[in-house]
Amino acid sequence: DAGVTQSPTHLIKTRGQHVTLRCSPISGHKSVSWYQQVLGQGPQFIFQYYEKEERGRGNFPDRFSARQFPNYSSELNVNALLLGDSALYLCASSTRGNSYNSPLHFGNGTRLTVT
Amino acid sequence: DQQVKQNSPSLSVQEGRISILNCDYTNSMFDYFLWYKKYPAEGPTFLISISSIKDKNEDGRFTVFLNKSAKHLSLHIVPSQPGDSAVYFCAASETGTASKLTFGTGTRLQVTL
Repeated sequence: DAGVTQSPTHLIKTRGQHVTLRCSPISGHKSVSWYQQVLGQGPQFIFQYYEKEERGRGNFPDRFSARQFPNYSSELNVNALLLGDSALYLCASSTRGNSYNSPLHFGNGTRLTVT
Repeated sequence: DQQVKQNSPSLSVQEGRISILNCDYTNSMFDYFLWYKKYPAEGPTFLISISSIKDKNEDGRFTVFLNKSAKHLSLHIVPSQPGDSAVYFCAASETGTASKLTFGTGTRLQVTL
């Protein structure tokens, strides 16, 4: 079975530009979450979507937005990129939104570098 | 404000011995705790979890212990194997927000021959 897939794997952008990151969850998983991992830190929660609705948002500015499509795939958008947005962006899926019996399964991430 | 803390950035253990990774938390609303393992260039992989109604959970070589009064949990790996060498993250969530995990900064475990 395919795991969580993310694209692209690497991306280089310039300050002020916009970026779109994509995620396909494990088949049958209806919940997608996005995390940002800065070098030397643990992943930090950005968004959770379940059944195409936003169910949670972390402490990130409005430059960050996301959406979930009818096939449960998801996009993370970041506008007006800053140098500090350089990080590994991880997508995770689970069968249900907030069940203790469905832990998050992570993709391998998109490495974003802002120059 | 670091709500989940892993105070040991690295740990080296001999193959066959026990590895003990520690994690402390400050948020008393956390009631679900997980450990993830991460290899370079891969996403975190779920290892084991424990809810606050338990104080121990075992899965093969991995055991997680939870001490709620001390707000402390630990992961024991017995016996340690070279393939266990990775970065281990402790994570926690509050009731009803199992997808909103708060992670620690990770502990790099190296299992030597």
